[in-house]
Amino acid sequence: ETGVTQTPRHLVMGMTNKKSLKCEQHLGHNAMYWYKQSAKKPLELMFVYSLEERVENNSVPSRFSPECPNSSHLFLHLHTLQPEDSALYLCASSQNAGPNTGELFFGEGSRLTVL
Amino acid sequence: QKEVEQNSGPLSVPEGAIASLNCTYSDRGSQSFFWYRQYSGKSPELIMFIYSNGDKEDGRFTAQLNKASQYVSLLIRDSQPSDSATYLCAVKAGGYNKLIFGAGTRLAVHP
Repeated sequence: ETGVTQTPRHLVMGMTNKKSLKCEQHLGHNAMYWYKQSAKKPLELMFVYSLEERVENNSVPSRFSPECPNSSHLFLHLHTLQPEDSALYLCASSQNAGPNTGELFFGEGSRLTVL
Repeated sequence: QKEVEQNSGPLSVPEGAIASLNCTYSDRGSQSFFWYRQYSGKSPELIMFIYSNGDKEDGRFTAQLNKASQYVSLLIRDSQPSDSATYLCAVKAGGYNKLIFGAGTRLAVHP
């Protein structure tokens, strides 16, 4: 298994649908992140989990709901999204201690299209 | 609002030349700085980090940091077509590896 895997890779949903994005890391890291990447815009940090506890929530609308059941898995539950939520959603993991703090390992992303 | 600014490019350089990528940041208290590379359709990957003023070299890559000017740069020597990608500058903005990213500079290396 590669380091950080995300499913599904592509998702098309209507504004009334409910779906979930899944992320799994096989690196033994203790922190996981959701980032949103829109065209021509910087990566936007959405949520941070450290040791399965949410430590950062960057004013993300409630239609995005994260879940971290253990240190290897992270979900992003989606409901009643808007077309402007269409973007690439990237999951990342890291080790919060040691000499290489700041190194995020990203998954390949889930490309979301909201119709 | 902490910000990281980069020229979006594209920066076009001939093969074998030096590519110079620049980044400025707004938070004077920032201590850690990172360069990520993102190929089209792929996820970002870390290529360099720098904590201290001055230069840090790793193979063909050199990161330069000037905290007084709030400026970080990445030099790529002997540029290759395989270096063509978007380069993201990131600044650590607190604990838990919270990184603030710039929008990236697209580099195109032509044969």
